[in-house]
Amino acid sequence: DQQVKQNSPSLSVQEGRISILNCDYTNSMFDYFLWYKKYPAEGPTFLISISSIKDKNEDGRFTVFLNKSAKHLSLHIVPSQPGDSAVYFCAAIHNQGGKLIFGQGTELSVKP
Amino acid sequence: EAGVTQSPTHLIKTRGQQATLRCSPISGHTSVYWYQQALGLGLQFLLWYDEGEERNRGNFPPRFSGRQFPNYSSELNVNALELEDSALYLCASSFGTDRNYGYTFGSGTRLTVV
Repeated sequence: DQQVKQNSPSLSVQEGRISILNCDYTNSMFDYFLWYKKYPAEGPTFLISISSIKDKNEDGRFTVFLNKSAKHLSLHIVPSQPGDSAVYFCAAIHNQGGKLIFGQGTELSVKP
Repeated sequence: EAGVTQSPTHLIKTRGQQATLRCSPISGHTSVYWYQQALGLGLQFLLWYDEGEERNRGNFPPRFSGRQFPNYSSELNVNALELEDSALYLCASSFGTDRNYGYTFGSGTRLTVV
């Protein structure tokens, strides 16, 4: 039972353009969401998070949007840079705290 | 401040053997989480320890076990290794169960079963 889903395994974007990574969830008890970036053979590094009481959170080039009614969130990277090329995971936390539930990841490739 | 440290970095074992992986959380963090990332797959939740107690367990067989020590460091033990246990094992730590403090991951242990 995949409670957090990233339906696009890969995404290719031109440098300077916008990258949009999508994530859907099924459990209405999730109320905190995070995005992580991961390089091969390394641990994930935290990018940005959003609480369910908000619909947008911005940090520099990264913006996360949350649509609770659709149980959908997205990560926007503007402008995209070649160094952004990595696998991006969205994750969710139950409202009682505890473990992160991850999506399958989306591999972003930003081409010069 | 030191991050989450995992040891060893790489581990090669023979099928049927036991593997022990170690994790030291960030100072002050009391919760430790273990995840498995098999090749081409996402991060699958294994175990969660908080204040020395096992709080939750993922959908893995009992041969995956662990513990948390009084200094909050943790061990993951995998008994009767199978080829499909080959994966990157990641440890994360957080301050208790308050997600607002964030979760920090280590660099992982690459386990290869031959």
